[in-house]
Amino acid sequence: NAGVTQTPKFQVLKTGQSMTLQCAQDMNHEYMSWYRQDPGMGLRLIHYSVGAGITDQGEVPNGYNVSRSTTEDFPLRLLSAAPSQTSVYFCASSTGGGSEKLFFGSGTQLSVL
Amino acid sequence: DQQVKQNSPSLSVQEGRISILNCDYTNSMFDYFLWYKKYPAEGPTFLISISSIKDKNEDGRFTVFLNKSAKHLSLHIVPSQPGDSAVYFCAASAYLDRDDKIIFGKGTRLHILP
Repeated sequence: NAGVTQTPKFQVLKTGQSMTLQCAQDMNHEYMSWYRQDPGMGLRLIHYSVGAGITDQGEVPNGYNVSRSTTEDFPLRLLSAAPSQTSVYFCASSTGGGSEKLFFGSGTQLSVL
Repeated sequence: DQQVKQNSPSLSVQEGRISILNCDYTNSMFDYFLWYKKYPAEGPTFLISISSIKDKNEDGRFTVFLNKSAKHLSLHIVPSQPGDSAVYFCAASAYLDRDDKIIFGKGTRLHILP
């Protein structure tokens, strides 16, 4: 059972480059989300989706785009990478609702030079 | 404004003793609380949760206590084992602004000493 799969695991970008972080889940979860983890800042919500075709902004959405065309996939796009986006990114999914536990992917470590 | 606070960035505990991790919250609308554990280079994994209608939930060596009047919860690990060395995140959820919101604390790094 794969759970939540994130690719790539590591990525180095130059300032201004764009890229897409991939996230896929095989648990038929309606809710998916993206977090970033920075030292001393915990996990901060970037964007989330409560189902295919529905997305919304989280706490730190600037510089990121998302789409949800299928239940399984929830890619995160960096439009023009900045050094401030150097972070570890986690995708998560759940059956929905705040009381439902989140299943996290293993993370993508992104460095923007 | 930090709505979920874990005021201890790190904690060291002797193996076999009790580890107590604390979490405070400010919004009385939070009605469900969860703890996640995270090892280096891995994603967080769910550990234990508690509803606001309860004051205690136990799962093996892990117990979470909730004090609603103080807006405080704590995670107790007894006895502490080397594999418990990790970062622990407290999370609180509520239905706010027409949607379920989940807010994480900044985490506490637990070191279990041999």
